[in-house]
Amino acid sequence: AQRVTQPEKLLSVFKGAPVELKCNYSYSGSPELFWYVQYSRQRLQLLLRHISRESIKGFTADLNKGETSFHLKKPFAQEEDSAMYYCALSGAGGGADGLTFGKGTHLIIQP
Amino acid sequence: DAGVIQSPRHEVTEMGQEVTLRCKPISGHNSLFWYRQTMMRGLELLIYFNNNVPIDDSGMPEDRFSAKMPNASFSTLKIQPSEPRDSAVYFCASRKDHTGELFFGEGSRLTVL
Repeated sequence: AQRVTQPEKLLSVFKGAPVELKCNYSYSGSPELFWYVQYSRQRLQLLLRHISRESIKGFTADLNKGETSFHLKKPFAQEEDSAMYYCALSGAGGGADGLTFGKGTHLIIQP
Repeated sequence: DAGVIQSPRHEVTEMGQEVTLRCKPISGHNSLFWYRQTMMRGLELLIYFNNNVPIDDSGMPEDRFSAKMPNASFSTLKIQPSEPRDSAVYFCASRKDHTGELFFGEGSRLTVL
């Protein structure tokens, strides 16, 4: 069974401070990991995925298979980063599996 | 493309009433997903379809919930009879092939009194 754990329900940091949203997963195969973001009153949207190795809006995430983690990081938080962040996992194998989401972390950036 | 379209955006109903939520996926996407979002449980996958066929409905809470996808451009999620504990935001999402990225609708906020 696949599982995604986001240990922090709420994370509050000051503007300009570094941000790290934690995500750990459980999956027996080779997973595909994603971070989705939901800004206030907007739909969920993809922020980044591990296979693309991109930096989006200053955020990066590295897949650590040894620690089964996919933490989301940003060196300097901005007020517009305030949102709900969901880590998600898709099982490999090409099957039409739905994404398994963590319960989300509400990030608040204080001015 | 307008993206995934869901209706209604908001629904308030009384316990025992039937609720039908609707979804139009992005044209050309062949996988469709229904998720439920609550404060306590976060995002839960209810059911997903591939090429209009239900693949996994193990997330559907109970027999009161049913979902259909009569064609590639339309799906419904029905709750009958509804109960207060069904109050949540229901999201529909679609995906093209197995690329992994889901595109979400804006959600339907259901309140059952």
